Amino acid sequence: DAGVIQSPRHEVTEMGQEVTLRCKPISGHNSLFWYRQTMMRGLELLIYFNNNVPIDDSGMPEDRFSAKMPNASFSTLKIQPSEPRDSAVYFCASSPHFSGLAVGQETQYFGPGTRLLVL
Amino acid sequence: GQQLNQSPQSMFIQEGEDVSMNCTSSSIFNTWLWYKQDPGEGPVLLIALYKAGELTSNGRLTAQFGITRKDSFLNISASIPSDVGIYFCAGGRIQGAQKLVFGQGTRLTINP
Repeated sequence: DAGVIQSPRHEVTEMGQEVTLRCKPISGHNSLFWYRQTMMRGLELLIYFNNNVPIDDSGMPEDRFSAKMPNASFSTLKIQPSEPRDSAVYFCASSPHFSGLAVGQETQYFGPGTRLLVL
Repeated sequence: GQQLNQSPQSMFIQEGEDVSMNCTSSSIFNTWLWYKQDPGEGPVLLIALYKAGELTSNGRLTAQFGITRKDSFLNISASIPSDVGIYFCAGGRIQGAQKLVFGQGTRLTINP
């Protein structure tokens, strides 16, 4: 089985440019999560979706960040305009299903990440 | 946001030694997960725990879900060089928000 797929693996851009990160969750998983990891703040949840619907975006830093999930097999995280402080590793993760009571549904599987550097 | 208290933050050990790390929280969790992250990669799930008191092994790894639901530990026996990396605990709740709460990580370094 293919795991979570993220692209690109590395992105270097200049301040002010638009950045789009992409994620393909594990087939059959209904929940998708976007995280940001930095040395200072560790792993931070930005937003998560259940059945393609955004459930909680309270971790999104500001209006420059937006995320979409147009279908069950694809999600994007966009930063526009990008700033140097956005430099981090961005992870996408997916989990099996969301029903409220099923044991194991919280288990999240991470992609390899996108390492973003904004100059 | 809420975080788990994971300790130690770093460990420097000799190859062959056993390793122990733990996570504690002031809140109850229904699930405890342990992940390992290698440089340049995403966290990889090692062990998932779903019941208070549960003790689960995965090869040389053993993890336990604390009886109070507020803590968990991970042990690695007879460490080898490929065990090097950062280990994260994460707590989850079945009902309500589906978010995982992560510990700050334990960085393991092994001297051959």
